Amino acid sequence: DGGITQSPKYLFRKEGQNVTLSCEQNLNHDAMYWYRQDPGQGLRLIYYSQIVNDFQKGDIAEGYSVSREKKESFPLTVTSAQKNPTAFYLCASKVTVTNEKLFFGSGTQLSVL
Amino acid sequence: QKEVEQDPGPLSVPEGAIVSLNCTYSNSAFQYFMWYRQYSRKGPELLMYTYSSGNKEDGRFTAQVDKSSKYISLFIRDSQPSDSATYLCAMPPSYSGGSNYKLTFGKGTLLTVNP
Repeated sequence: DGGITQSPKYLFRKEGQNVTLSCEQNLNHDAMYWYRQDPGQGLRLIYYSQIVNDFQKGDIAEGYSVSREKKESFPLTVTSAQKNPTAFYLCASKVTVTNEKLFFGSGTQLSVL
Repeated sequence: QKEVEQDPGPLSVPEGAIVSLNCTYSNSAFQYFMWYRQYSRKGPELLMYTYSSGNKEDGRFTAQVDKSSKYISLFIRDSQPSDSATYLCAMPPSYSGGSNYKLTFGKGTLLTVNP
């Protein structure tokens, strides 16, 4: 089945630690996105990528980093510089960046120990 | 003024009720409107989308757009407990040569349908 796979479902971070969230899609989509979801704040864009080897900062990129070495993969690293990392993280993709329909993965809940 | 406003609820209704969920927007450039449904601790799933003013129906769901009032609605008929979820409206930007490719989301309305 085609879709977007996020792993792990739950992740715990110790203070000062970098953690990486995985996002893989087999939809052959060019554009991929990372959103952060906090209660009462809706979805906020962290980073997006239009094509391989390209990515752009979203609204809340500080403390995060990404890479796009393969079309199907867009991992997100939450660095120690992100002081409030506890949130639900959602990966999404579109056929192209100008296509309207955005499809989401099932999310990763990151918590701080 | 925020680009998209959505009443967060929560909204609680009895099974079988007609539910109305709404968003208002300020950017007249929005041409395309979407509704996502998100179950607890899951990713949002695209429920309905519409390009133009008027109604679009899909089973028990109807999406309505009023561009003159900058107001969109999602109606759920004969609501079921399985409809209990958060509903988010979303609007893409106008691709007029700009570099902003992000969707603008409402904050979501939490709906509970009680059996």
